[in-house]
Amino acid sequence: AQTVTQSQPEMSVQEAETVTLSCTYDTSESDYYLFWYKQPPSRQMILVIRQEAYKQQNATENRFSVNFQKAAKSFSLKISDSQLGDAAMYFCAYRTTSRANSKLTFGKGITLSVRP
Amino acid sequence: DTAVSQTPKYLVTQMGNDKSIKCEQNLGHDTMYWYKQDSKKFLKIMFSYNNKELIINETVPNRFSPKSPDKAHLNLHINSLELGDSAVYFCASSYRQLNTEAFFGQGTRLTVV
Repeated sequence: AQTVTQSQPEMSVQEAETVTLSCTYDTSESDYYLFWYKQPPSRQMILVIRQEAYKQQNATENRFSVNFQKAAKSFSLKISDSQLGDAAMYFCAYRTTSRANSKLTFGKGITLSVRP
Repeated sequence: DTAVSQTPKYLVTQMGNDKSIKCEQNLGHDTMYWYKQDSKKFLKIMFSYNNKELIINETVPNRFSPKSPDKAHLNLHINSLELGDSAVYFCASSYRQLNTEAFFGQGTRLTVV
């Protein structure tokens, strides 16, 4: 079974600075998908970024980018120019390409606070 | 238009009661899910339906029964509610074959007193 580990429960960043959130995972599969979801106090789960394992290029979405290290099974999220609205809980998630087991496996999440 | 909507957003009920949470998606997705987020914010899959067929059932007590009348709707019925059932329940949907990301509803906070 796949597992996702987010070892840092909390992080803090100064507004306008850059922060990196860590995530590691364990799988025996060679093809899969990885995601970062954001959960602000409103409780809504919002997709931040996705990465296909077969792609070597790291995904980027505006101020958000990932560092995907397939051999190391590492998938970190970098937030540049942090804004107050980035304060939220962030979840790393794994999804197999197997259609029989189509679900997201989440890490425990990390709470990010942004200092003004 | 809300892509994945679930009702109610909040539900407070007494132990022993039976309650239902409804979910609807207008994205045309063929797969729907129920996730449970516990008090420590941990998210775990409960059920998954593809075109009204149950494909994932993760060690959930029999008191929880999902029902999918069509591929746009997935409801969750809970019998004999217990204190430990208090959590946030999320409905989500996606395309199974495309293996894309899941879109989530706004969650239902269930409090059992």
